[in-house]
Amino acid sequence: GEDVEQSLFLSVREGDSSVINCTYTDSSSTYLYWYKQEPGAGLQLLTYIFSNMDMKQDQRLTVLLNKKDKHLSLRIADTQTGDSAIYFCAESFSGTYKYIFGTGTRLKVLA
Amino acid sequence: DAGVTQSPTHLIKTRGQQVTLRCSPKSGHDTVSWYQQALGQGPQFIFQYYEEEERQRGNFPDRFSGHQFPNYSSELNVNALLLGDSALYLCASTTPAREETQYFGPGTRLLVL
Repeated sequence: GEDVEQSLFLSVREGDSSVINCTYTDSSSTYLYWYKQEPGAGLQLLTYIFSNMDMKQDQRLTVLLNKKDKHLSLRIADTQTGDSAIYFCAESFSGTYKYIFGTGTRLKVLA
Repeated sequence: DAGVTQSPTHLIKTRGQQVTLRCSPKSGHDTVSWYQQALGQGPQFIFQYYEEEERQRGNFPDRFSGHQFPNYSSELNVNALLLGDSALYLCASTTPAREETQYFGPGTRLLVL
């Protein structure tokens, strides 16, 4: 079945690295995504990775994909207070058009 | 370049009423999806419209219906509102050439009393 799980909360100090984790059950996903949602706002696409890749780096963001363990992570280097938000991982599948989202991880950055 | 826009931003309705939410896709996009995000949850897929037809539907009752217009904008209609329909309704747009990416609008927050 389709299920995406994330831890609920993460707190880090400004300047440290943040690592947000996600596990999923359906290994047939085509792409995996990270979205950011700030209070009262919609979802902002941060980055995504094709399912046959292991890693993708985009400025301060690094995505790691472990297909064997069905584990996706997002590392934010030099975390800033503006990074405080809820982060959602999501997956999409070939032949369907829906995305399956996790429940979100609330990141709090302490000054 | 305008992103995805939605209207209204907030809405209050009472049980049993009907509501219509509107979405304009990002410039160059022709495919619109609707999601429901309950408080503290991730978004849940309602349906997707392409070429003015519903292309795929999630696990939502028939009270949820939609429409896509020739200019690619879309409406989400919900009939016989229930308290449990209170949520943030998100619209996302994409295009077949880049279906691996969807861009979301700011959402319409619906409160059913």
